[in-house]
Amino acid sequence: GENVEQHPSTLSVQEGDSAVIKCTYSDSASNYFPWYKQELGKRPQLIIDIRSNVGEKKDQRIAVTLNKTAKHFSLHITETQPEDSAVYFCAASKLGGGATNKLIFGTGTLLAVQP
Amino acid sequence: DAGVTQSPTHLIKTRGQQVTLRCSPISGHKSVSWYQQVLGQGPQFIFQYYEKEERGRGNFPDRFSARQFPNYSSELNVNALLLGDSALYLCASSPINTGELFFGEGSRLTVL
Repeated sequence: GENVEQHPSTLSVQEGDSAVIKCTYSDSASNYFPWYKQELGKRPQLIIDIRSNVGEKKDQRIAVTLNKTAKHFSLHITETQPEDSAVYFCAASKLGGGATNKLIFGTGTLLAVQP
Repeated sequence: DAGVTQSPTHLIKTRGQQVTLRCSPISGHKSVSWYQQVLGQGPQFIFQYYEKEERGRGNFPDRFSARQFPNYSSELNVNALLLGDSALYLCASSPINTGELFFGEGSRLTVL
């Protein structure tokens, strides 16, 4: 069935360092890959997304890369700050063609940025 | 503009009871989805409604049901509650039948 694996489950970095979170998806028809940030007790918020016709997308300190052949996508955060501390979820979905926008989420990565 | 609003924010039920959770999407959004997030896990898809029709259903038992009203608001009903139904129930809306989801703050259900 559809599955998204996410690693690592926890990640601790020093302020200013980079953080990388990796995900693998199983459904080769997936074509939309969002990343959500969820602070404790809060709702998930979209931070960046990428579609399968693009290999990389960047927004200031955040970037996402996609390898369709390997069915891998990754989140890269540079110059980390304490306010980046949160749980990050990757997800995969099939958009278009009358399909639902059902997101299959990974298991989450708890990122702790140490001051 | 108001975001996705959900009610109630917190509730406690006992096993066997029934619960109704409510969601109002962002104005102009016609698609509403429901997700269950158990503590320490990623959200799991329950239902999607678009233009008042069910467009998708996740791997949840028939105890879970939902509907969407003409004003695009939605309700999620869970019957015969089990301890394992304790979770954060998230509602998300999107402007069309695909694309970015905007999540509400969720309804935290505790089943005793």
